[in-house]
Amino acid sequence: AQKITQTQPGMFVQEKEAVTLDCTYDTSDPSYGLFWYKQPSSGEMIFLIYQGSYDQQNATEGRYSLNFQKARKSANLVISASQLGDSAMYFCAMSPGGFKTIFGAGTRLFVKA
Amino acid sequence: SQTIHQWPATLVQPVGSPLSLECTVEGTSNPNLYWYRQAAGRGLQLLFYSVGIGQISSEVPQNLSASRPQDRQFILSSKKLLLSDSGFYLCAWSVGSSYNEQFFGPGTRLTVL
Repeated sequence: AQKITQTQPGMFVQEKEAVTLDCTYDTSDPSYGLFWYKQPSSGEMIFLIYQGSYDQQNATEGRYSLNFQKARKSANLVISASQLGDSAMYFCAMSPGGFKTIFGAGTRLFVKA
Repeated sequence: SQTIHQWPATLVQPVGSPLSLECTVEGTSNPNLYWYRQAAGRGLQLLFYSVGIGQISSEVPQNLSASRPQDRQFILSSKKLLLSDSGFYLCAWSVGSSYNEQFFGPGTRLTVL
């Protein structure tokens, strides 16, 4: 079965420190895409970063990087130098082909001043 | 640049009443369009997606329906709302293959009483 698992319901991080949000996935498709989205309290979903299953290098977008370990089926999000504005829900998602995207349950990140 | 609009932002409806939520996209042609529902504190559940005018795929059987009367317009409807239809409804668009990121609208918060 295709599934996304985020095991951390909530995480705390001190401002300016790095934090890793965990994500594991399950699919039998050889080709798929992995995504991370941020959802602030306003509710809108904001795309952060994408990793293709055949990409050799880990994706990076500014302070966001995706630690992709294909053999372990993990796609952890690393946020460097956390800011107060990073406090939000973070969702890991997978597109296994076709147009269906599967979302995890999310991790709520709290950044402390 | 591309923008996506959803309305209304908030809606309170009695059980058994009809529903119509509208989503429009500007600045792109032939987008893939999606309707998601998010229950409180949960991840996103894909309800419908469309790859072209009049083409609707349903992911979850329920009393909701979707239509795409124009290239950049996506409508979510119900003839009779249930209490369980309460939630946060998000419209999203993407272009190209299913591995491309999706961009979300601001959402509609629906409360069925």
